[in-house]
Amino acid sequence: QVQLQASGPGLVKPSETLSLTCTVSGGSISTYYWSWIRQPPGKRLEWIGYIYKSAITNYNPSFKSRVTISVDASKNQFSLTLSSVTAADTAVYYCARQTAAAGTVNWFDPWGQGTLVTVSS
Amino acid sequence: DIVMTQSPDSLAVSLGERATINCKSSQSVLYTSNNKNYLTWYQHKPGQPPKVLIYWASTRESGVPDRFSGSGSGTDFTLTISSLQAEDVAVYYCQQYYSTPWTFGQGTKVEIK
Repeated sequence: QVQLQASGPGLVKPSETLSLTCTVSGGSISTYYWSWIRQPPGKRLEWIGYIYKSAITNYNPSFKSRVTISVDASKNQFSLTLSSVTAADTAVYYCARQTAAAGTVNWFDPWGQGTLVTVSS
Repeated sequence: DIVMTQSPDSLAVSLGERATINCKSSQSVLYTSNNKNYLTWYQHKPGQPPKVLIYWASTRESGVPDRFSGSGSGTDFTLTISSLQAEDVAVYYCQQYYSTPWTFGQGTKVEIK
């Protein structure tokens, strides 16, 4: 049974870069789609982007100029970097897997335990 | 972007009673080529990650109690908990996977009356 665990600094200064890693256990990262999702306090969940087969990415246009998702297959990890952060990027960040079939990328399942990132000086 | 709107924002239901949550999408999430609605429901309990309850709008995930059911098509969907149990206290979200950016409803908080 695949499990995901997000990790990274809990505090980032404004204008700096947020970096998180999701470690995948119980399955290979070489298949499936791997996404990052976040939830700012009091707001709805927001999909950030995904990576597939270590190279194909798709980002939410709301983040497109600031976000990069990458894979380290040797460590079975994928990562999120979000540049030029502001207080509005304070959120619980989740990583999640998606399956795909017949050209459709499906729902998020499973999710990793979220990690709170606060942007503050 | 497809905007997902849930109603109500919260509801309190007595144990054993029915809870109904609605989700409306700003455009249809039904692919006519395969007659599937690209809509899923999640349950989110404090301190835990969201968990899939229903996908394809009405298919229950393995292991999910049959008191949970999903219905609807096109732009209007419903999650029903037929007999609310104490462990069902959570926030419930709908999400469309019809087109990117994938989007979520604002959530509905279910509590015990």
